[in-house]
Amino acid sequence: DGGITQSPKYLFRKEGQNVTLSCEQNLNHDAMYWYRQDPGQGLRLIYYSQIVNDFQKGDIAEGYSVSREKKESFPLTVTSAQKNPTAFYLCASSMQLQPQHFGDGTRLSIL
Amino acid sequence: AQSVTQLGSHVSVSEGALVLLRCNYSSSVPPYLFWYVQYPNQGLQLLLKYTSAATLVKGINGFEAEFKKSETSFHLTKPSAHMSDAAEYFCAVSESGGSNYKLTFGKGTLLTVNP
Repeated sequence: DGGITQSPKYLFRKEGQNVTLSCEQNLNHDAMYWYRQDPGQGLRLIYYSQIVNDFQKGDIAEGYSVSREKKESFPLTVTSAQKNPTAFYLCASSMQLQPQHFGDGTRLSIL
Repeated sequence: AQSVTQLGSHVSVSEGALVLLRCNYSSSVPPYLFWYVQYPNQGLQLLLKYTSAATLVKGINGFEAEFKKSETSFHLTKPSAHMSDAAEYFCAVSESGGSNYKLTFGKGTLLTVNP
């Protein structure tokens, strides 16, 4: 079955560490997205990519970085510059003007 | 620029009662509109979408929504709530046309269904 796989499901970060969240899709979608979800805040866009080797900042990109070396993969790195990284992170993918499909998320916590 | 307002962060209904979740949007061009549902610790699942065809859109699990341009609304309804409908619901807007892939989400409405 086609879908989006996010790993790990739970992740813990120590102060000053960078951590990378994985997102893989086998839907052959052109576009991929990263969102951050906090209680009562809805989903806020971190980064998105419409094609391989290109990506754009979303509304809250500070403290995050991404790469898009393959169509199927869009990893997100939460850097030590992100001072409040505890959140639920969702990856999505879509074709142009089609609904976005979501993975099951990664919950990041600070030790 | 586009935005979404979901009125009511928490809605509580009895099992068998009407479900009404409100969504108002603003968009500088004709919008595409979506409702998603999220169960605890899971991703979002598409319920239904409006893409400038019929203004009354039917989705999965008995939900439907009506696009009202004059009211800039896209409210989600279900005639009879079921316990399994308890979840968080998100309304989202995208600009139609061009090469815009981006969605803007509302802050969500948590639906509680009481037995």
